[in-house]
Amino acid sequence: SQQGEEDPQALSIQEGENATMNCSYKTSINNLQWYRQNSGRGLVHLILIRSNEREKHSGRLRVTLDTSKKSSSLLITASRAADTASYFCATDASGTYKYIFGTGTRLKVLA
Amino acid sequence: DTEVTQTPKHLVMGMTNKKSLKCEQHMGHRAMYWYKQKAKKPPELMFVYSYEKLSINESVPSRFSPECPNSSLLNLHLHALQPEDSALYLCASSQDRVQPQHFGDGTRLSIL
Repeated sequence: SQQGEEDPQALSIQEGENATMNCSYKTSINNLQWYRQNSGRGLVHLILIRSNEREKHSGRLRVTLDTSKKSSSLLITASRAADTASYFCATDASGTYKYIFGTGTRLKVLA
Repeated sequence: DTEVTQTPKHLVMGMTNKKSLKCEQHMGHRAMYWYKQKAKKPPELMFVYSYEKLSINESVPSRFSPECPNSSLLNLHLHALQPEDSALYLCASSQDRVQPQHFGDGTRLSIL
């Protein structure tokens, strides 16, 4: 399977703590994207990082990309209860419209 | 509110029924996607339309038939579905293949 793997599968933290989730993929990529999905809703795009970038920030989000290890991490700082959701990484396959989603991390932030 | 609108939100149908899922976007995006998502699993790509032409079909069974009437609309026609087809069906759009995808909230489909 070309599917990316994410770890941990589930993460439970207290409000105010940082949350880190990791994504590993198998093929060369042009870019990697992170999405959030609240229960019963569609996915919301968080951040896109291109293969020639190593780190990107957006508000409380920090994404890193290591193409030599085929891995990426998403850090959410100062988490809030509203950050409770599933988080997916997605990688493009051979520069096509096909994006492969990772297995996802279910984050629960306790108030 | 999402910028991609999917209807209906919920659909229950028998295995012999014919129904259609609809998706609409007015962002001028030229690529539109159908995904299938099972509970606690990631979305799985089914079809991609680029500039109103079918670009990718991920070996989806013929009981699912996509249609792109114009650049803003995407339909998924359903016929003779199986119970294992019960899932959340998500539509998405993007400006091009390297831009983020915008998702609708999906249609939750149950096959009796």
